[in-house]
Amino acid sequence: EVQLVESGGGLVQPGGSLRLSCAASGFIFSDFWMTWVRQAPGKGLEWVGNIQQDGSETYYVDSVKGRFTISRDNAQNSLYLQMNSLGVEDTAVYFCTRESAAGTRFDLWGRGTLVTVSS
Amino acid sequence: DIQMTQSPSSLSASVGDKITITCRASQDIDTYINWYQQKPGKPPKLLIYAVFNLQRGVPSRFSGSGSGTDFTLTITSLQSEDFATYYCQQSHSPPITFGQGTRLEIK
Repeated sequence: EVQLVESGGGLVQPGGSLRLSCAASGFIFSDFWMTWVRQAPGKGLEWVGNIQQDGSETYYVDSVKGRFTISRDNAQNSLYLQMNSLGVEDTAVYFCTRESAAGTRFDLWGRGTLVTVSS
Repeated sequence: DIQMTQSPSSLSASVGDKITITCRASQDIDTYINWYQQKPGKPPKLLIYAVFNLQRGVPSRFSGSGSGTDFTLTITSLQSEDFATYYCQQSHSPPITFGQGTRLEIK
């Protein structure tokens, strides 16, 4: 089955760190750009950043630059999001998504993992 | 950053109705717009890409149009499963940005 499954969310104190993982299956993971998108409770969608197929290029939204790092392990079919210096504004469901090979549209989504930043 | 502004923010309609959601980009995005549907507690689902192309499996009652800065998502003959929140998304220039969403509710 073609799917993405996120894990690693939870409650963390402001200033803390968390690492999210996304396990891909059912497709050739190394062929695709991968993206993280987040959604604060009751709010809209925000693109967080993405990573090229071989991991050599990454891009981030300004609000997370210098704090978040996206990486991948193609041998393990896994995507990661290392989040440091977390603030309450980072509270959200984080979705792992696949970018279509033909353009920057997100044709496969995981169910998401909730990150709550609170003291 | 390119801002994507959707209207209306919410909409009430009945089964069988035809509805239109508009998305306006703050600058010309050519045809680099996609539409998603999201139901509560679920991830978004890609409906339409590059203005008017239906993603595989999406019913033909969904359609998209527009160019430049103004785009529309139309749903003809609403079905009960269509009541959800809809988002537009531009992929013309980084960072990728989404509209704020349009919540479609049952009247």
